[in-house]
Amino acid sequence: DVKVTQSSRYLVKRTGEKVFLECVQDMDHENMFWYRQDPGLGLRLIYFSYDVKMKEKGDIPEGYSVSREKKERFSLILESASTNQTSMYLCASSLIRDSRATDTQYFGPGTRLTVL
Amino acid sequence: KQEVTQIPAALSVPEGENLVLNCSFTDSAIYNLQWFRQDPGKGLTSLLLIQSSQREQTSGRLNASLDKSSGRSTLYIAASQPGDSATYLCAVVADKLIFGTGTRLQVFP
Repeated sequence: DVKVTQSSRYLVKRTGEKVFLECVQDMDHENMFWYRQDPGLGLRLIYFSYDVKMKEKGDIPEGYSVSREKKERFSLILESASTNQTSMYLCASSLIRDSRATDTQYFGPGTRLTVL
Repeated sequence: KQEVTQIPAALSVPEGENLVLNCSFTDSAIYNLQWFRQDPGKGLTSLLLIQSSQREQTSGRLNASLDKSSGRSTLYIAASQPGDSATYLCAVVADKLIFGTGTRLQVFP
């Protein structure tokens, strides 16, 4: 079974802090994704990566950056956390190296981030 | 711009009923359509993936259909059970995965 793990289930940070969310997958998948999920807005893509050191902006990249130094790990960074970044953050991975993300995606359990 | 809509937003049914969840999308130029399940406070689990050239996919009590020309997909759940209670999301892939906002299903005993 594919396993996608996220470093924290719940996280509380203060405005202005730098925040790191970590995601690790154990199935040698090529693609990795970060989404945020908000009531009434659904899931929105923040960034994705289809290769080590490669990244592509999604729909809402402002205020975020990412890092993929190793194939199995994809980090989401909030450079200076703000209250409007309070959300559920979901990481996903998929097998095929594909900039269109056409393969089945496997999701982690999510990190609920609260920014005070 | 691709938009994905799911109706109804919430559904409550007694155990044993067969039910249909609807998904519509505005742009028929898609590579595939995927259905996911999300339990409260948790991540998503992939249920079915239908390629754009396919009309349907089946997995156990689940059957998903795709009509690209009309921009519609349905997820049919046979003989629903309380364990089916969750939010069901559809998503289409064009240049990326675009999600609907989901249908929250409750199956009561």
